[in-house]
Amino acid sequence: NAGVTQTPKFQVLKTGQSMTLQCAQDMNHEYMSWYRQDPGMGLRLIHYSVGAGITDQGEVPNGYNVSRSTTEDFPLRLLSAAPSQTSVYFCAAWGPWDSPLHFGNGTRLTVT
Amino acid sequence: KNEVEQSPQNLTAQEGEFITINCSYSVGISALHWLQQHPGGGIVSLFMLSSGKKKHGRLIATINIQEKHSSLHITASHPRDSAVYICAATEGEGSNYKLTFGKGTLLTVNP
Repeated sequence: NAGVTQTPKFQVLKTGQSMTLQCAQDMNHEYMSWYRQDPGMGLRLIHYSVGAGITDQGEVPNGYNVSRSTTEDFPLRLLSAAPSQTSVYFCAAWGPWDSPLHFGNGTRLTVT
Repeated sequence: KNEVEQSPQNLTAQEGEFITINCSYSVGISALHWLQQHPGGGIVSLFMLSSGKKKHGRLIATINIQEKHSSLHITASHPRDSAVYICAATEGEGSNYKLTFGKGTLLTVNP
């Protein structure tokens, strides 16, 4: 039981490049979400999903895309990387509403 | 929109001291989470509570639903407790709910 597996751990991109951050969970949680964490800003919601085939935007969705074709996987795509997307990204999974939150180990992304 | 406020933002303590971190929220919630993040590290769930009090080792979490307030206490603090502590509030139930995070409290425990 691996919990939430997030890859890669580190990534450096050039402006304009695209990439996908992977998030997989093996706990059959219905809810999954992506956050970015910036100094002084706390965790900000990018996109979330309440189940396979259902996604919605969070607080800061611009420049990011998601899909949820299976319960297990929730990848985050950066369409055209910008320096403003330099951040630490966390994937989380949980469910039902009164269960603990499970986070991936984070991805430190630098866009130059 | 739920506002989740934590206090203090920064806290420095000496080893052995009793620590309290506070979290208040503006709307009724279903559950309140306390999370821990060590510097450069991942985020770990400490507690999820919807009423009363929970204890795990030296950590105690309480919630007062009427006052919209939760506290995290650390007894006999230790340098390894140095971390950012984050509270998060869940609104709603069933398949329609939102999670709102506080900005975190940076705790430093000196030996």
